[in-house]
Amino acid sequence: EVQLVESGGGLVQPGRSLRLSCAASGFTFDDHAMHWVRQAPGKGLEWVSGISWNSGSIVYGDSVKGRFTISRDRAKNSVYLEMSGLRVEDTALYYCVKGTSYSCTHPFDSWGQGTLVTVSS
Amino acid sequence: EVVLTQSPATLSLSPGERATLSCRASQSISNYLVWYQRKPGQAPRLLIYDTSNRATGIPARFSGSGSGTDFTLTISSLEPEDFAIYYCQQRGNWPLTFGGGTEVQI
Repeated sequence: EVQLVESGGGLVQPGRSLRLSCAASGFTFDDHAMHWVRQAPGKGLEWVSGISWNSGSIVYGDSVKGRFTISRDRAKNSVYLEMSGLRVEDTALYYCVKGTSYSCTHPFDSWGQGTLVTVSS
Repeated sequence: EVVLTQSPATLSLSPGERATLSCRASQSISNYLVWYQRKPGQAPRLLIYDTSNRATGIPARFSGSGSGTDFTLTISSLEPEDFAIYYCQQRGNWPLTFGGGTEVQI
């Protein structure tokens, strides 16, 4: 069974940094692209970032480009989202999401339960 | 970015009825349109990829159609477990984007 367990969320002041982690299990981690998708309170789903199976392709949404960095560690079967310069509008539930295949363009077939990030002074 | 507009926002139907959900893209995305189902308290579930391909384990009552900018998800006969929010998502252009969702309610 695929499991994606996010951690690292919390309350942070505007301008500060936070690092989210996602521990993956139940599938061959190296064969799949991974993503972060967020949902702000009362809003819809917003794709944040994706990383291909071998980290050769990394993509970001426009609203986080230059502030967020995605990475993955094959030894730990984990994917990370380093968030800096946080803004109030980054407040959201952040989901770790598994792609159906190696490329970042493929659909998503498994989602974690999410970790809440609240940016507030 | 490609903006996806879903309509209607809410669809009120009864079990056994046919549901037709629309997703319109602001520019052509070929057939790279995906549908997800989301129930309260649960993660989204992949239903349909690339306009019309059902994901593993998805019942045949779910079907997708369209191309270019106009896409449709059809549920031929609603089962009680189908009442949920449905999101479309495009994977034809960066950044990946989602529609705002259609809630299918009883």
